[in-house]
Amino acid sequence: QKEVEQNSGPLSVPEGAIASLNCTYSDRVSQSFFWYRQYSGKSPELIMSIYSNGDKEDGRFTAQLNKASQYVSLLIRDSQPSDSATYLCAVNPQRGGGADGLTFGKGTHLIIQP
Amino acid sequence: EAGVTQFPSHSVIEKGQTVTLRCDPISGHDNLYWYRRVMGKEIKFLLHFVKESKQDESGMPNNRFLAERTGGTYSTLKVQPAELEDSGVYFCASSQDLSQPQYFGPGTRLTVL
Repeated sequence: QKEVEQNSGPLSVPEGAIASLNCTYSDRVSQSFFWYRQYSGKSPELIMSIYSNGDKEDGRFTAQLNKASQYVSLLIRDSQPSDSATYLCAVNPQRGGGADGLTFGKGTHLIIQP
Repeated sequence: EAGVTQFPSHSVIEKGQTVTLRCDPISGHDNLYWYRRVMGKEIKFLLHFVKESKQDESGMPNNRFLAERTGGTYSTLKVQPAELEDSGVYFCASSQDLSQPQYFGPGTRLTVL
């Protein structure tokens, strides 16, 4: 059974610091990896996608992928109170994310302390 | 560009009743997905439409759930008869094609009493 594991938190980080969110997955053939941000009562919002080993940067966000270790992470630099949310890690066996249903982790609740 | 929309936002029904949830994908998105999150658990995949065809319904819990997408535009998910364990948030997502990420709607919170 495919599984995605995340530390549920809460993860508390001071404003301006780097928040580091981690995720491991069990299906070795996974090809696509996504980070969604979800505010309470709102829809999951896509913030990062990554398909190849290494780092991918977009503004204050950096996604890191290590397929050998089956590990994906999200770094948020210069954390802001508005970054406080639940961050969901999602995995797809196909490249691109659209071909199959995503397998989600339970999410990490991030709190940025002013 | 409008995002994925879902209706209703909340539904409270009694055990044994029928409920129909609706999802309107982003315009032009052929791929439509249904997911469900029950309390304390992760979001779980239910099924995937490509246009009006069911591509994968491996996540549907049982035959009380029926999804349709007539005409390949909006989709409905009917639960009949509803059971207590069907309570949760039902999300819909869409993607333009198989190479693109999935974008989620706000969800329908279903409570079965």
